[in-house]
Amino acid sequence: GAVVSQHPSWVICKSGTSVKIECRSLDFQATTMFWYRQFPKQSLMLMATSNEGSKATYEQGVEKDKFLINHASLTLSTLTVTSAHPEDSSFYICSARDWRDPDTQYFGPGTRLTVL
Amino acid sequence: SQQGEEDPQALSIQEGENATMNCSYKTSINNLQWYRQNSGRGLVHLILIRSNEREKHSGRLRVTLDTSKKSSSLLITASRAADTASYFCATVSNSGYALNFGKGTSLLVTP
Repeated sequence: GAVVSQHPSWVICKSGTSVKIECRSLDFQATTMFWYRQFPKQSLMLMATSNEGSKATYEQGVEKDKFLINHASLTLSTLTVTSAHPEDSSFYICSARDWRDPDTQYFGPGTRLTVL
Repeated sequence: SQQGEEDPQALSIQEGENATMNCSYKTSINNLQWYRQNSGRGLVHLILIRSNEREKHSGRLRVTLDTSKKSSSLLITASRAADTASYFCATVSNSGYALNFGKGTSLLVTP
């Protein structure tokens, strides 16, 4: 089956630093990738939709300059949390859509970000 | 924005029993999907049901969809301890592929 990886799986950083999270589709080409955020015991909230070779589309309330998304290739999208603050601490999950099966999204294992 | 609302929020049953979770949504959909999430992990896709379908089966899973009531249910039969997880419904609109997740049901299956 289709596999999506995320790196790192967890990261602890100091307030004010930037953190980059990678999302890779390992065995398929993903024309579209999605980034979600999940707070403890809550559901997933869509942050942005990332299309290969074009700018990401952000959901209302998500700061573009704070959460930089780059989808440079058909197998890699990155999310950079700039000038991270403790309120950015969360579980970040990406998903990828295989163009051959557009209705199904394959999720990465998530990245736990803790900002001190 | 979140569209789905699951109930119950939490469900505790014994192994062998059936577990039923419900999901309601607000706007028109192209399809509705159910996912499972083990604690602190990513999501696993369980089943997809399209707006023109009323029922779908996959192993011990049975999903129904009632578009007139904007609701869906997920039935897990003969539950196992390994089914313990959070279950989310997610809808896909006709205008895109983004998933709108419900709040989820936390299922605990005790041996």
